[in-house]
Amino acid sequence: DAKTTQPNSMESNEEEPVHLPCNHSTISGTDYIHWYRQLPSQGPEYVIHGLTSNVNNRMASLAIAEDRKSSTLILHRATLRDAAVYYCILRDAQGAQKLVFGQGTRLTINP
Amino acid sequence: NAGVMQNPRHLVRRRGQEARLRCSPMKGHSHVYWYRQLPEEGLKFMVYLQKENIIDESGMPKERFSAEFPKEGPSILRIQQVVRGDSAAYFCASSPENQPQHFGDGTRLSIL
Repeated sequence: DAKTTQPNSMESNEEEPVHLPCNHSTISGTDYIHWYRQLPSQGPEYVIHGLTSNVNNRMASLAIAEDRKSSTLILHRATLRDAAVYYCILRDAQGAQKLVFGQGTRLTINP
Repeated sequence: NAGVMQNPRHLVRRRGQEARLRCSPMKGHSHVYWYRQLPEEGLKFMVYLQKENIIDESGMPKERFSAEFPKEGPSILRIQQVVRGDSAAYFCASSPENQPQHFGDGTRLSIL
């Protein structure tokens, strides 16, 4: 499974944008970039995914580098409820269906 | 549309007993996945099932653990003769074919 690298932790302030980086230098052409987050005492929650183009949904935006070796999850206006561990995961569209979770980034939001 | 339902939310067993964890996937989802999260560790894949078939069990311990997803009813993760090291949060996820997975809130298993 292709690996991803994320900072262990990040901190931001409420109502400010948050940019969560992820490096995936060994990504293959058929790997989708998925983001999940896990709030305390809950199961992981799907956030967004993409292949090549930037993606937007009601929760976040995903900016994918042109060479696809890195991506950034963007929370446009953080709230206290966005405090969670964020996981960047590569998933091969043609291969194994399982998700391989790393350590993720623990995001703290200050009031 | 109800999400992935797991029960029980908390389960306490004594060493040597059996634990049965149930997972009802979202309506229309035919793919089910089980993951385990040990205390202070990340989530680890255990098994992937489609209706009546185990597709990938590469993360399942070789002994005492089994999983099924029958034609009717929920998916079951069964742990026989539980030991202290089985204490963890067990998460189930479901999805349609090649779509993102949606997770339940887990079963927290405690072994006395």
